[in-house]
Parts: sequence; C-alpha cells; structure tokens
Amino acid sequence: GAVVSQHPSWVICKSGTSVKIECRSLDFQATTMFWYRQFPKQSLMLMATSNEGSKATYEQGVEKDKFLINHASLTLSTLTVTSAHPEDSSFYICSARARKETQYFGPGTRLLVL
Amino acid sequence: DAKTTQPPSMDCAEGRAANLPCNHSTISGNEYVYWYRQIHSQGPQYIIHGLKNNETNEMASLIITEDRKSSTLILPHATLRDTAVYYCIVPTGTSYGKLTFGQGTILTVHP
Repeated sequence: GAVVSQHPSWVICKSGTSVKIECRSLDFQATTMFWYRQFPKQSLMLMATSNEGSKATYEQGVEKDKFLINHASLTLSTLTVTSAHPEDSSFYICSARARKETQYFGPGTRLLVL
Repeated sequence: DAKTTQPPSMDCAEGRAANLPCNHSTISGNEYVYWYRQIHSQGPQYIIHGLKNNETNEMASLIITEDRKSSTLILPHATLRDTAVYYCIVPTGTSYGKLTFGQGTILTVHP
C-alpha cells in the first residue's frame, strides 16, 4: 500500500507556543489530505480536508485560526497548532489519497502541551 | 453517511479465523464498504474495500451480502499482531469521500 509519513512522531511544548506537524505522501501524489484528532479511548475525529493549492475545509467546531493547514504541494501538508494549550494535547493523524483512490494514514503525532 | 453498526468487542484464538460483522442497512447503490484497523498508538491501516462482489487480498477477505446491507471481514488465520480496533466505514457519498470513524470492534486475539 501507499506510504504516508508524519513528522515529528511526538512533541512536547509549552502552553502558548505553536507547533507544526508535517504529513508527506512518500510514493504517490496526494490530491487530498485529511487531518484527524484522537483523544484517549475515543475514535478518530476529522478536523479538516485540504486539497492541493486551495484552502482547507474545516469540520464544524474546529477553529480554523487555531489549526492552520497548508497543502502547498502534492506530497506535503502541514498542520500548525497555534498558541497551543493543554486541552490541545492529543494524537494528530493525517491521511492522504490520490484522486479517486483509497485513503492511507500516517503513523500519527502525539502532542503534549504543558 | 451510511451508518454502520459493529459489535464493540470480539475474541479469537490465535490461528483461527476471525469473522468481524458490520451492518450498513442504509447503504446506497454506489457506496463502497471500507475496512481499516488501528493497532494501539498507531495510525489506521487500510485493509480492504468492496462494492458488491466479495474481495480478497493478502490481509483479509470481505464478504458482502447480496442486498449489501451487511458485510463480514475475515482474517483467515488470526495472529496476536491482529489485535486491534477494526473499523467498518462507508465513505460519504462516493468511494473516495470523507471517512467517519465510529467506535469499531476491538478484536483481541488470544494465544
């Protein structure tokens, strides 16, 4: 199957700082990338959908000014958590798919905000 | 979305077949059924998908009933590494639409 990577795999930051997470499709061109968040013992929740070269579409209740998404190329999307707070601590997972193809997921990034 | 219903948990003995059911009674004619699994602390892993015919790959088999209202994922020879949460998902609208994750089935494979 297709390979999606994320970097970093885990990050610890101080409250009020910003954190950037990268998502890359390694062996295919991803026309669409998705960002999910997963809290302990809960299922994945879709945060936003991004298409290459256009603005991301955010799910209801997700603050677009807090979670900045950039999808500048067909192999890279970034999620920036701005002014992170302890309640933003979570497992962030991206997925990517080529046009009209299956979604493949990255390994996830664990964020801890102190 | 076509809502899916899965049992919250199942057990299976190592080496035996694991049969995971999923109900999707409101599925429409052009909607696919996808299966993913999530091993603890990892991102979901794609397993298999299908529309109306049974499908098989190196990981599993997918059996879809003729009326398409339910399906079964079969892991033919379960191993301890197959212990995971298994999600049955019908993407929104098209085969490549948004994925909505429910609670899935926690499969525990015992020695």
